[in-house]
Amino acid sequence: EAQVTQNPRYLITVTGKKLTVTCSQNMNHEYMSWYRQDPGLGLRQIYYSMNVEVTDKGDVPEGYKVSRKEKRNFPLILESPSPNQTSLYFCASSSGTGNTEAFFGQGTRLTVV
Amino acid sequence: GENVEQHPSTLSVQEGDSAVIKCTYSDSASNYFPWYKQELGKRPQLIIDIRSNVGEKKDQRIAVTLNKTAKHFSLHITETQPEDSAVYFCAANGVRSQGNLIFGKGTKLSVKP
Repeated sequence: EAQVTQNPRYLITVTGKKLTVTCSQNMNHEYMSWYRQDPGLGLRQIYYSMNVEVTDKGDVPEGYKVSRKEKRNFPLILESPSPNQTSLYFCASSSGTGNTEAFFGQGTRLTVV
Repeated sequence: GENVEQHPSTLSVQEGDSAVIKCTYSDSASNYFPWYKQELGKRPQLIIDIRSNVGEKKDQRIAVTLNKTAKHFSLHITETQPEDSAVYFCAANGVRSQGNLIFGKGTKLSVKP
């Protein structure tokens, strides 16, 4: 089954404790991205990757890192999480850049206390 | 920068009525306009999309119209049903941002039985 898988689904952590949210897709998509969803603000892009070893900042990259060592995986790293990073995070992948369907993961609900 | 405005932010209709959600975009080079539906606690999923070479597209009870001159596009849902209740996001690809999808802030549609 074609899918985008994120882990974990839920995470509560403390300020400053490094964490990684994993994202994997099995559709051989070149394009992957991370979004955060906050009430009233919609989906805002954090980082995106157009291919292996190619990543770039989205609209809200501060406090986040990503890597794209393999085509299928695109982890989101929070080196020193802060409470303002409490949010719902979605990973997405697509076969093209902005002109084909984006497939979203199940979401990760992150709470930083 | 590139922007997508979506209205209204909330919409309540009676079952059987029609619902219309409108979006405007700023990048005149945008050529792909998808609509996503997000049910409560679920991931966004594509319901319909339109490309700049057509003015209207229909799929059963949903339709999307595009006015490139005015830079706006709309989602029309006819004969609404309670299962249409969800948050709907419009998006446009931002050519200046390497084709990334730029999302509107979402419309929460409630269909009352």
